Amino acid sequence: EAQVTQNPRYLITVTGKKLTVTCSQNMNHEYMSWYRQDPGLGLRQIYYSMNVEVTDKGDVPEGYKVSRKEKRNFPLILESPSPNQTSLYFCASSYGGGTYNEQFFGPGTRLTVL
Amino acid sequence: AQTVTQSQPEMSVQEAETVTLSCTYDTSESDYYLFWYKQPPSRQMILVIRQEAYKQQNATENRFSVNFQKAAKSFSLKISDSQLGDAAMYFCAYRISNNAGNMLTFGGGTRLMVKP
Repeated sequence: EAQVTQNPRYLITVTGKKLTVTCSQNMNHEYMSWYRQDPGLGLRQIYYSMNVEVTDKGDVPEGYKVSRKEKRNFPLILESPSPNQTSLYFCASSYGGGTYNEQFFGPGTRLTVL
Repeated sequence: AQTVTQSQPEMSVQEAETVTLSCTYDTSESDYYLFWYKQPPSRQMILVIRQEAYKQQNATENRFSVNFQKAAKSFSLKISDSQLGDAAMYFCAYRISNNAGNMLTFGGGTRLMVKP
């Protein structure tokens, strides 16, 4: 089954404790993105990747890191989480940019930073 | 910067009736795509319908249709014969055609409640 998976689905942590949210897709997609969803703001792009070893900032990159060492995986790293990073996070993937390519979203990761 | 505005935080509709969700956007681009996504309580983002800006004909998908007014920068979603399963958050989103990051810009969402 074609899908985007994220782990963990729920995470409660404390300020300053490094964490990684994993994302994996099995559709051989080139493009992958991370979004965060906050009430009243919709989803906002954090980082994106156009291919292996090619990443760039989205609209709200501060406090986040990403890496793309393999085509299928795109982990989101919070080196020193803060309470304002409490949010719902989505990973998404698609074949490419330019003309329309549907984005497939993962199931979301609910992160709480105390 | 592009912005997407959904002016209705909440809407309700009686089962089997029709409801229209509003969306406006601001852009200087001429080539772009518009989308409506549904987010049920499971939190999964589900693509409902999309519209290419260069197409004058409004998109339809079964009970879902849009009213795309390019000059007014308006993109409303009409749900006909509403069903209990339509209850969800609905997000309007925009993407320019030549976007390096494939980034979607989302509105703040409209929560739709369906009354039996």
